[in-house]
Amino acid sequence: DAKTTQPNSMESNEEEPVHLPCNHSTISGTDYIHWYRQLPSQGPEYVIHGLTSNVNNRMASLAIAEDRKSSTLILHRATLRDAAVYYCILRDVGGSQGNLIFGKGTKLSVKP
Amino acid sequence: DGGITQSPKYLFRKEGQNVTLSCEQNLNHDAMYWYRQDPGQGLRLIYYSQIVNDFQKGDIAEGYSVSREKKESFPLTVTSAQKNPTAFYLCASSTHGLSYEQYFGPGTRLTVT
Repeated sequence: DAKTTQPNSMESNEEEPVHLPCNHSTISGTDYIHWYRQLPSQGPEYVIHGLTSNVNNRMASLAIAEDRKSSTLILHRATLRDAAVYYCILRDVGGSQGNLIFGKGTKLSVKP
Repeated sequence: DGGITQSPKYLFRKEGQNVTLSCEQNLNHDAMYWYRQDPGQGLRLIYYSQIVNDFQKGDIAEGYSVSREKKESFPLTVTSAQKNPTAFYLCASSTHGLSYEQYFGPGTRLTVT
């Protein structure tokens, strides 16, 4: 699986939008971009994923650059519950294991 | 409610003892995974199973063993051969296909002294 680069930490104010960046310059044409988040002492939770087009769901939006070498997870209005570590992960359609390869992620702090 | 459960949430063992961590899912998923997480780190794959009665080693399988006798269950045994077993253990499941999300259990925090 190709590697991703994320900032170690970010801060946001409650009720403001948050843009979490991820660089994946070595992404291949068959890699899906997945985002998960992990609250303290809990298992990771799926947030969103995409291949080429921007994606929206009830939790967040995923904006994918035209060259696919970077993406941005957008939380439209941060709440205190959104404070977590956010992981950007690439999954190769052709891979055999199916597991997720986690980096250290971005620790998001949300201030009231 | 459909989901994935792990028990217990906290587990304490003495060094030299084997310990088995439970993972059960009622999502009808074929694939199941075990990950290990150390403080401040991402998750690392221990074992995975894509179908009943079949499983494969992940990146850090040494000192661990698994079984997959039923679709719903994928227990992990941490053996005395595992040199540094204290960690947060996470079980996950998914349908086949890498475009699908993985569902994670709440985790078991194992402390070995």
